[in-house]
Amino acid sequence: DAKTTQPNSMESNEEEPVHLPCNHSTISGTDYIHWYRQLPSQGPEYVIHGLTSNVNNRMASLAIAEDRKSSTLILHRATLRDAAVYYCSPPFYGKLTFGQGTILTVHP
Amino acid sequence: EPEVTQTPSHQVTQMGQEVILRCVPISNHLYFYWYRQILGQKVEFLVSFYNNEISEKSEIFDDQFSVERPDGSNFTLKIRSTKLEDSAMYFCASSEIRDYLSSYEQYFGPGTRLTVT
Repeated sequence: DAKTTQPNSMESNEEEPVHLPCNHSTISGTDYIHWYRQLPSQGPEYVIHGLTSNVNNRMASLAIAEDRKSSTLILHRATLRDAAVYYCSPPFYGKLTFGQGTILTVHP
Repeated sequence: EPEVTQTPSHQVTQMGQEVILRCVPISNHLYFYWYRQILGQKVEFLVSFYNNEISEKSEIFDDQFSVERPDGSNFTLKIRSTKLEDSAMYFCASSEIRDYLSSYEQYFGPGTRLTVT
């Protein structure tokens, strides 16, 4: 399994962009990088995933380093509803491994 | 939008009793998973299931646990003789396909809170 490192917490103001980093230096060349988030008292929620090139969807953007050893989840305009724990997880044969994640606090 | 559903939302049971947690995965999904989260701790993988067989399981998933797809829609997790330490949130998830590239996302249900007294 690839090991991941994320900051314990980050803060943002509403309407501002947020960049959430993740180091996954042991990732294999063919593992996708997945990001999930967990809102309070809810199950994990899929956010985005990618392999090599940057990815965009309606929730976020994912910037993947050229060497694939790190990635950054970008929330373009944070809202109060984005306050959650964010996890990056390269699945290993489908098994997601959730570390401690990054607790994102969004201030009004 | 299709979603994974789980029942019950909260289950209270006495130590030593059997419990069955139920999940209805998204209808066209082929892989199913159970995870658990003890209060205040991280989400942990328990088991994955495909084609009526366990694909992978963690060390947590011992002989007390079993999974089944009894019909075309339900996916269940059974704990035969519950222990106090089984108290946790149990999340079911499903995905369209799981290949080596792990290129498909997993969709999680809202969870069942299991309380063992």
